Amino acid sequence: DGGITQSPKYLFRKEGQNVTLSCEQNLNHDAMYWYRQDPGQGLRLIYYSQIVNDFQKGDIAEGYSVSREKKESFPLTVTSAQKNPTAFYLCASSLRVGSHTNTQYFGPGTRLTVL
Amino acid sequence: AQSVTQPDIHITVSEGASLELRCNYSYGATPYLFWYVQSPGQGLQLLLKYFSGDTLVQGIKGFEAEFKRSQSSFNLRKPSVHWSDAAEYFCAVGPMEYGNKLVFGAGTILRVKS
Repeated sequence: DGGITQSPKYLFRKEGQNVTLSCEQNLNHDAMYWYRQDPGQGLRLIYYSQIVNDFQKGDIAEGYSVSREKKESFPLTVTSAQKNPTAFYLCASSLRVGSHTNTQYFGPGTRLTVL
Repeated sequence: AQSVTQPDIHITVSEGASLELRCNYSYGATPYLFWYVQSPGQGLQLLLKYFSGDTLVQGIKGFEAEFKRSQSSFNLRKPSVHWSDAAEYFCAVGPMEYGNKLVFGAGTILRVKS
């Protein structure tokens, strides 16, 4: 069954801790994205990656880091430098280089709560 | 700069009534346009997309949207709403090339009353 998986579904963090959110896709997509969702603000792009071993900052990258060592995986680390990390985090992916489409498909999300 | 406006934060519709959710965008080139739906605590599901050609686009679950370039709009419609359509709906705009970011509207929450 093809798709995007995110884990865990719920995550609790103490202030000052780093946490890593997992995102895996078996759609053979080249591009992957991380979004943050807050009530009433839609989705805001944190980081995206068009190809393995390369990634770019989105609109709100401060306090976050990513890696793209494998095509299937794009983990997001929320660092202690992120001032307000409590939010719903969504991972997405889209098809290969040269495609005329930019359709992004989303995972089920991870809700992060800072205690 | 690219932007997407969904003027209605909340909409309440009676079951069986028609629905129109508004989306206006600002974009410098030919846009790709999308509508997504999100149930509480879930990810986003693609309803439909417009790339080119016929300006009336059909999607899943009986939804359709019409691209009007002159009005910079991409409104979502459904002729008869079902209780299961209650969710949050997001409009998004982006460039043609893959791997580039989409800009999302703030969303419209649809409530369906019986």
